[in-house]
Amino acid sequence: GAVVSQHPSRVICKSGTSVKIECRSLDFQATTMFWYRQFPKQSLMLMATSNEGSKATYEQGVEKDKFLINHASLTLSTLTVTSAHPEDSSFYICSARRTSGGEQYFGPGTRLTVT
Amino acid sequence: AQSVTQPDIHITVSEGASLELRCNYSYGATPYLFWYVQSPGQGLQLLLKYFSGDTLVQGIKGFEAEFKRSQSSFNLRKPSVHWSDAAEYFCAVAPGRGYSTLTFGKGTMLLVSP
Repeated sequence: GAVVSQHPSRVICKSGTSVKIECRSLDFQATTMFWYRQFPKQSLMLMATSNEGSKATYEQGVEKDKFLINHASLTLSTLTVTSAHPEDSSFYICSARRTSGGEQYFGPGTRLTVT
Repeated sequence: AQSVTQPDIHITVSEGASLELRCNYSYGATPYLFWYVQSPGQGLQLLLKYFSGDTLVQGIKGFEAEFKRSQSSFNLRKPSVHWSDAAEYFCAVAPGRGYSTLTFGKGTMLLVSP
């Protein structure tokens, strides 16, 4: 159990367009989902924390208007990169947890390339 | 604020040899410590965790780690490395109960030579 999926696994988009990444908990209900960004050969940096039904909490330096997060249900959170630019190219990973303080289960990641 | 240092960017180990990956943390109180493994293009898989109790913790895939408070370390070990262990390894710390907010180190890439 505790499987988290992401879709798509890879996406290429043109500069100026928007792209949506989905994160789903397949066999459990996730009260909280996290979005991370990972640059090549770097660690994961937490972008935001989202709780079902409420607004996401963004980490310092992350533009909330650029990275729109929606956590509309207990099994789905989406990250929309608006007006994407080449510097937004990165590996985006989500995680989900059942309960407060519980283990985070990670998705397989989405590779975004903006041309 | 908590921080994690993994001093080795990459390590090469011969298949069958033992492995130790270093992790040092900075945190004022008792930390919650984790080791994750990431294969290329994949998400993270939890290898093991330390919350309290026995300072030597066993994980999956034959890995273990030892918490040493005096050295602020949580090094990962495996007695005999397999080629399939080649991956990136991340140490992480959480400040509060369980996994409230994870802070990751920069990772150590493990290469396994035949």
